[in-house]
Amino acid sequence: NAGVTQTPKFQVLKTGQSMTLQCAQDMNHEYMSWYRQDPGMGLRLIHYSVGAGITDQGEVPNGYNVSRSTTEDFPLRLLLAAPSQTSVYFCASSFHPRGAGELFFGEGSRLTVL
Amino acid sequence: KQEVTQIPAALSVPEGENLVLNCSFTDSAIYNLQWFRQDPGKGLTSLLLIQSSQREQTSGRLNASLDKSSGRSTLYIAASQPGDSATYLCAALDAGGTSYGKLTFGQGTILTVHP
Repeated sequence: NAGVTQTPKFQVLKTGQSMTLQCAQDMNHEYMSWYRQDPGMGLRLIHYSVGAGITDQGEVPNGYNVSRSTTEDFPLRLLLAAPSQTSVYFCASSFHPRGAGELFFGEGSRLTVL
Repeated sequence: KQEVTQIPAALSVPEGENLVLNCSFTDSAIYNLQWFRQDPGKGLTSLLLIQSSQREQTSGRLNASLDKSSGRSTLYIAASQPGDSATYLCAALDAGGTSYGKLTFGQGTILTVHP
């Protein structure tokens, strides 16, 4: 029972590089979301999706892109990495399409941008 | 814009003590409120979810209450144990409109239970 799986767990980038954080869930959840967690700032919502083909912006979407081509996967893309994007990123999913049910989190991806 | 505040930021108690963690939110138009636990270097684990129509939820030694009108929720932990040491976060899900699907987190309370 894998739940929510995030890869990679750790990544170091140079400013201007691009990368994709992967998130996959095997619970057939409609709702998926990405958060970043920073000291003193708590968790902030980046983007979320209420079903395949539907995405929307959260509180801090600038610098990030998402797509939802399947129910299972919700990748987060950084096109031009900046030091301000150094953070721990969490993916979460819920069976309820608006995220109103229990939220299941991945283990996190720690990103450092030099 | 919804704002969620947790008090205290950190709490240290001896084993066996009963304790209360506080969570307040500025916009009472919430769909639900959820309490999470986070261990160092790990993701969040959902502990209790209270729907807006409910007053409380219980799971084992944990009891969460919700008072929408005053914008407050509390998490009560009975007979604390060293294994309860973690960061506890609350999160409010906005009720709708342009906030559909948006969860706002507090910054958490770091709990240490010493033997």
